[in-house]
Amino acid sequence: AQSVTQLGSHVSVSEGALVLLRCNYSSSVPPYLFWYVQYPNQGLQLLLKYTSAATLVKGINGFEAEFKKSETSFHLTKPSAHMSDAAEYFCAVSDLPDKIIFGKGTRLHILP
Amino acid sequence: DSGVTQTPKHLITATGQRVTLRCSPRSGDLSVYWYQQSLDQGLQFLIQYYNGEERAKGNILERFSAQQFPDLHSELNLSSLELGDSALYFCASSPLAGAPTDTQYFGPGTRLTVL
Repeated sequence: AQSVTQLGSHVSVSEGALVLLRCNYSSSVPPYLFWYVQYPNQGLQLLLKYTSAATLVKGINGFEAEFKKSETSFHLTKPSAHMSDAAEYFCAVSDLPDKIIFGKGTRLHILP
Repeated sequence: DSGVTQTPKHLITATGQRVTLRCSPRSGDLSVYWYQQSLDQGLQFLIQYYNGEERAKGNILERFSAQQFPDLHSELNLSSLELGDSALYFCASSPLAGAPTDTQYFGPGTRLTVL
């Protein structure tokens, strides 16, 4: 069975610092992996997705994630945090058609 | 703005009642997905419809049902409501049948409060 674990329900970084949000997955087959962002009072928006092409995936707003099969990880990074990045981030895995499992989410706080 | 609309934005009702949540997908999208987001369960997939037919089922309770109409809008019906049904309900749409590589576009959600 597939599952997703996001380490840290809250992460705080200073503006301009590196953002690192951790996601580990389990799947019996090569998975598809996603990162979504949810701004306050809004729905989810896709940041990026891994679909077995390049292992380093670039998304919107300067975010990227690297698929590491040996570590079963798909961590999200951004070199320099901006105040507008404050939101909740969800990692998700799908290894079956029409079935997607979301992590519990990580709330990112940006400190001035 | 994702192009997915949901009504109402907020809904307050009592235990035992029945409510209907409505979703209009992006123009041209054939798949509609329903999700429930609560503090204790997180974000959970409920059900998917594709072009009027049920395509996939997730953690949807028997008290809940959904349908997709010929104009592709969808409704989620929640009955015999319990306090634990209080949550944000999201609708998402995608162009095709829902392959894992499809991008889903999420609506703003309906916040349901059961008193």
